[in-house]
Parts: sequence; C-alpha cells; structure tokens
Amino acid sequence: SAVISQKPSRDICQRGTSLTIQCQVDSQVTMMFWYRQQPGQSLTLIATANQGSEATYESGFVIDKFPISRPNLTFSTLTVSNMSPEDSSIYLCSGSMGISYEQYFGPGTRLTVT
Amino acid sequence: GESVGLHLPTLSVQEGDNSIINCAYSNSASDYFIWYKQESGKGPQFIIDIRSNMDKRQGQRVTVLLNKTVKHLSLQIAATQPGDSAVYFCAEILSYNTGNQFYFGTGTSLTVIP
Repeated sequence: SAVISQKPSRDICQRGTSLTIQCQVDSQVTMMFWYRQQPGQSLTLIATANQGSEATYESGFVIDKFPISRPNLTFSTLTVSNMSPEDSSIYLCSGSMGISYEQYFGPGTRLTVT
Repeated sequence: GESVGLHLPTLSVQEGDNSIINCAYSNSASDYFIWYKQESGKGPQFIIDIRSNMDKRQGQRVTVLLNKTVKHLSLQIAATQPGDSAVYFCAEILSYNTGNQFYFGTGTSLTVIP
C-alpha cells in the first residue's frame, strides 16, 4: 500500500491568482493522477502525471490551466492557474503501483476561489 | 465517454441491518471493478475489488456481486455500523495498451441510523 499526503489541505484564493498543490507518496508508485471533485459529486480525472515527461490531460483540461510536474516516483504538483470561482473544488492526488489496479488517494485539497 | 452510474444517490439503513449499494456500468469490456468508501473530508479508500471473470467476491463484512449480463455491480455491507456512514463509489477500469482508464460512478451516500 501507499500513504499519500497533500499540501495544502485547504486554501482560499483570490481570482486571477495561482495555487500549487503538492502530493507526496511514502513509496514509489508507477502512476500518479490528479482528480477534481465538486462537493457531493464524483471524481473527474484531470490528468495522469508522468515522470520526466509532460502530463497526459483528459478532455476539457489543458496544460496552461493545470500545469503538472512529476520530478520523481514519489512526488507531483498540480498548479491551478489564473483561478476563477469555477475552480473552487476539491483536488485529489492518487497513485497506483505496478500492474495493480488499485489507486491510493490523498486526503484532498479544498480550494475556494473568491 | 464511459458512464458508470448509481441507482440511488442516498441510502439510510438502521444500524445492524444489511446495506446494498448498486452500480450500473456501460462497457462490457471492463476488466476490473473497485468499490471505494469516502468519508467526509477524506480521499476515497479502497474497500473491495472484483475482476470481470468473477461473479462474487467476499471481504470482511462486505461482498461485491457482478452481473455481467445486465452490467450491474453491487456492494453488500453486512451488519452495518455507524462507521460505515460515507459516500460509496464504484469504479470501472478498462485496460488499454497505454494504461488503465478509471471511470468513477456518481456515488451513493450511506447514512447509518443508530
């Protein structure tokens, strides 16, 4: 298994600013993912964070808005750029190991944009 | 895209009773299914999984049933406890050459009445 932590746990930001969320895993994981979750709703995959290369984004999400880094097998960051109130959401990081289908999730970062 | 939906958005059960949470999926080629539990303020947590070549799998107090004929998945929780109160998501996983794709259902909120 893997334990995933995220920083910050929550933040209130002004529109037009950017926030970088950090995701740390206590062991090496093959895959890392970033999700968005509106309160009371399901998870929407933003992108797959690839080590040493550009992230793979899902339809509706672009690198300019959500730049992602993954410098090694245990760490990734997601930046929410030029924020608007519509970006208010919970952002979740997850990781999976090897050929396992199981994903381990972080506790999430609750973002409010005013 | 794929869709994984739940029949009921909310479910209330009496403590000690059994709970059944249902999920419909759309892709008969799905390889794997996972049930996640998400408590308030936390990330989703793995409960139990089942491969597409199985009909039933049991864990501790939980059982997952897979009916491929009607593309239906259910999670049964025996002797439901207050600590089981949470949102439950089913996830459908499809394997591609480029990796695994996860599709999460909308979630069912389970409330256990003491």
